[in-house]
Amino acid sequence: DAKTTQPNSMESNEEEPVHLPCNHSTISGTDYIHWYRQLPSQGPEYVIHGLTSNVNNRMASLAIAEDRKSSTLILHRATLRDAAVYYCILGPGNTPLVFGKGTRLSVIA
Amino acid sequence: DTGVSQDPRHKITKRGQNVTFRCDPISEHNRLYWYRQTLGQGPEFLTYFQNEAQLEKSRLLSDRFSAERPKGSFSTLEIQRTEQGDSAMYLCASSQGSGANVLTFGAGSRLTVL
Repeated sequence: DAKTTQPNSMESNEEEPVHLPCNHSTISGTDYIHWYRQLPSQGPEYVIHGLTSNVNNRMASLAIAEDRKSSTLILHRATLRDAAVYYCILGPGNTPLVFGKGTRLSVIA
Repeated sequence: DTGVSQDPRHKITKRGQNVTFRCDPISEHNRLYWYRQTLGQGPEFLTYFQNEAQLEKSRLLSDRFSAERPKGSFSTLEIQRTEQGDSAMYLCASSQGSGANVLTFGAGSRLTVL
């Protein structure tokens, strides 16, 4: 399975943008870059995914490096409800997703 | 659709007992996944189904674990002769199985083995 590297934890102030990095130097051409998040005592929740181009949705933006070896999840304006563990996962779509430990995001009021 | 439902949400059992968890996926999703999560770790893949066929099982899935999806709709995960190490959150997810294959997770079933 293609591996990702994320910081263990990050901190952000409320109402400020947050950039969550992910390195995936062994990504293959067919791997999608997925982001999920897990709020306390809940199952993981889909955030966004991309293949080559940057992506935006109502929750976040995904910026993908030109060589695809890294990506950044951008939360444009962090709220207290965004405090969660964020997982960056690679997968071609036809195999089960393999989760790492993710990045624990703390949001300070 | 109410999303992915899991039952029970919490189960406390004594070591050696059998437990069964149920997952009801989103109705139009043909793939169903089981994951296990322990404290401080990310979810670990256990097994998945495409319709009623079990396509892959993790090496984590010992002989005491069995999963079924008899009619390609709901699924059950049974753990026989539970051990304290089985204490975890058991997560179910479903997907359409196409494209990027986005998963929708349930809230999980928390198992405590005493």
